[in-house]
Amino acid sequence: GENVEQHPSTLSVQEGDSAVIKCTYSDSASNYFPWYKQELGKRPQLIIDIRSNVGEKKDQRIAVTLNKTAKHFSLHITETQPEDSAVYFCAVIYDMRFGAGTRLTVKP
Amino acid sequence: DTGVSQDPRHKITKRGQNVTFRCDPISEHNRLYWYRQTLGQGPEFLTYFQNEAQLEKSRLLSDRFSAERPKGSFSTLEIQRTEQGDSAMYLCASSAGRGTGELFFGEGSRLTVL
Repeated sequence: GENVEQHPSTLSVQEGDSAVIKCTYSDSASNYFPWYKQELGKRPQLIIDIRSNVGEKKDQRIAVTLNKTAKHFSLHITETQPEDSAVYFCAVIYDMRFGAGTRLTVKP
Repeated sequence: DTGVSQDPRHKITKRGQNVTFRCDPISEHNRLYWYRQTLGQGPEFLTYFQNEAQLEKSRLLSDRFSAERPKGSFSTLEIQRTEQGDSAMYLCASSAGRGTGELFFGEGSRLTVL
């Protein structure tokens, strides 16, 4: 399998600001890119995903963008709230690999 | 509860002992995955099954680790001769279809090797 690089590893924002997390992958055959949120002591849960036939998908305050040429995809959270504080993981399901995670802290 | 269930939730063992974890996936899901997660890291892929067939095993998985899914339903992950470095959360996930859909995770089995 291929590595999935995720950046940044930690991100601290003020409530109401936006947060962006980026992942890069190497296998051009990859076609499904989910993002998972994991709160402390809990299981990872899917928050949004995107398939390779679209470039962007939005669900309320959360969006994901995909650049297949550059092989990267990003999670965008707007109007952040304290309950968004968690660890976020990207994944490349074709390779069944997850990124190392981004710890997001939203300060009230 | 029709989600993914794992048992036991916590296991404390002494170095050198064998441990076995069980995962019951969502009933209609044909794919089952095992991951290992240590503090501050993302889930690390161990192995996955399509029905009862084990289709891939991580190169990082030593010979002390073995997984089965005998009837294409529940799965077991056994670790023989445990080492302190095996201490981690072992996560099971399942998905439907051909592997391009959502993974549903269980709560995990936390292993502590003393």
